[in-house]
Parts: sequence; C-alpha cells; structure tokens
Amino acid sequence: EDQVTQSPEALRLQEGESSSLNCSYTVSGLRGLFWYRQDPGKGPEFLFTLYSAGEEKEKERLKATLTKKESFLHITAPKPEDSATYLCAVRGGSQGNLIFGKGTKLSVKP
Amino acid sequence: NAGVTQTPKFRVLKTGQSMTLLCAQDMNHEYMYWYRQDPGMGLRLIHYSVGEGTTAKGEVPDGYNVSRLKKQNFLLGLESAAPSQTSVYFCASKTGHDSGNTIYFGEGSWLTVV
Repeated sequence: EDQVTQSPEALRLQEGESSSLNCSYTVSGLRGLFWYRQDPGKGPEFLFTLYSAGEEKEKERLKATLTKKESFLHITAPKPEDSATYLCAVRGGSQGNLIFGKGTKLSVKP
Repeated sequence: NAGVTQTPKFRVLKTGQSMTLLCAQDMNHEYMYWYRQDPGMGLRLIHYSVGEGTTAKGEVPDGYNVSRLKKQNFLLGLESAAPSQTSVYFCASKTGHDSGNTIYFGEGSWLTVV
C-alpha cells in the first residue's frame, strides 16, 4: 500500500536554529515527490518537486533532498515567517494521484 | 491571477441538508480534484476529474457527488449532510498527465454540519 509518513509531527525552533523535516514513503513507481507549505486558514502552497534519488532543490532557506526511501526538507537559519505546516506528498501507483503525509507543524520563535 | 477559486468559504449546515461547493480555475487545467482535510488525517482525495465531462472516485468518495460540466468548473455536492462531513474542503487543479505537473490548491471551504 502506498504510504507517506512525516516526522516529527511538530517542531519548535529558535530563530536561526537549523533543522530538518523527514518524509518517508513507500510507493509503487514514484512519479514525483512534492513539498507544500500550508499557513493556517490557507490552502497548500507548492514548494518543490523531486523526481529521482540524489536530486536536490533550494528556495531561500529551504533545501529539499530525495533518496529512494525518504526526503528531507532542510531549513537553514529559520525565521519566524517560516512557521507553517509543511506537507509532503508522492505521486505514484496506477492512478497517479497524490498521496499526502499528515504534515509537520513548524514553529520558529524569535 | 485568480488561480483556483472556491465558494463558499464558510458554511454551516444542518444534518440532512444538501449543498454544493463550487470550484473554478482559470488556468485551463485538465485535471481537477476535491480533497478534505481533517485534524490528524492529512489531505484525502474525495473525487477527481481528468477532463470535462469525466469524474472518478478517490480515497473517500462516500456521501459526495461531483460534476464537471465545464472544463473550468468542478462541483462537489453533499446530498444529505452528516456531522462526519464537517471538514475543510480543498479544490485543486493541474495540467496534463505528466508526472511533473504541479497541483495548485484553492484557499479552502470550511463546512460545519450540526
């Protein structure tokens, strides 16, 4: 069964304290791993798509990496405005629909 | 750019009432989706459409119906609302069938069934 597990469920950081969020997945025929950011009361906002092991993408303080079993979202020197829930999703299987993890809620304190 | 627009944003229903959520996208996308998001459950796919006039069931379709009469619109209907359908509903869309296409989400519709 296709599955996405994100850890930790919640992460509290001090401003400037770098860390990583984990997304473990099992899927038949990966056709993309997606990271989204979701602010309270808003819809998910697209961040990155990764396709193959070893691939990396960066955007400001965020860097996403991919292996054959998991993806990491590295946050370097975070700021309070990085506080949000980060969602991971994979596309695979016969229908190719996205399967989402439950998200990691990140809080960055000044 | 409007992107994906959902109406209404908030609604309170009584058990047994019916309603329709409207999703409109102005990006000429082929694929459209309806998800629900519940605490501790993540986003779950209700129904989706791969083009005008087509619909298909997702992971949690029971109690919902959908229609895609026009390419830009995707309607989600609740025929007889139940408290278990209290949730946040998100519409999304993407272009084509390539694995690399990104799904874009609307801002959400908060539904409470009492």
